[in-house]
Amino acid sequence: SYELTQPLSVSVALGQTARLTCGGNNIGSKNVHWYQQKAGQAPVLVIYRDYTRPSGIPERISGSNSGNTATLTISRAQAADEADYYCQVWDSSTYVFGTGTKVTVL
Amino acid sequence: EVQLVESGGGLVQPGGSLRLSCAASGFNFSNYSMNWVRQAPGKGLEWISYSSSSSTIIYYADSVKGRFTISRDNAENSLYLQMSSLRAEDTAIYYCARKIPPEDGQLDHWGQGTLVTVSS
Repeated sequence: SYELTQPLSVSVALGQTARLTCGGNNIGSKNVHWYQQKAGQAPVLVIYRDYTRPSGIPERISGSNSGNTATLTISRAQAADEADYYCQVWDSSTYVFGTGTKVTVL
Repeated sequence: EVQLVESGGGLVQPGGSLRLSCAASGFNFSNYSMNWVRQAPGKGLEWISYSSSSSTIIYYADSVKGRFTISRDNAENSLYLQMSSLRAEDTAIYYCARKIPPEDGQLDHWGQGTLVTVSS
């Protein structure tokens, strides 16, 4: 079965840039979606189809996907960005979620 | 405004059954495929089931295949998850989520979730 690997945690200083990776075999050939989940809340879609932002998501959040790694970039990090982030793809008639990355803003 | 509201969670004994519901509003429910995703306490997201808009295509994760059944009533704008032979490892918050076409599309709206606890 297809697997997506994310770092357990990423720390970023206030106002700096955080890069969250999502590793998978030839993930560049798939459409990757990203979800943000704050403590005690349901997930929220923040990036779809590798780099597209839904309405209401700030331009500070961006995505890319190539080769074996997809990346979610959070620029000018704010306290409100503290959350768990999950990547996701569709493979062999199943949705696959990454293991999730906890982002801490220092 | 798109809204998804889950209900039906609660405490159930191992081996028991439970039926979850997801009431949809604010969009044409019959035009969208739907999913159930769960999250065990302190763990990540796990997709468990998919239903196409007309229920003609249904998928399950291996972890629930043969025990859980997804269904929907488009006239009632509702999605269901019938869970049986429940195990302790099924303890989780269960979310329903709307899927955007095509087949590998994103889950663009989620409900707030309903907690299922399997324990004696």
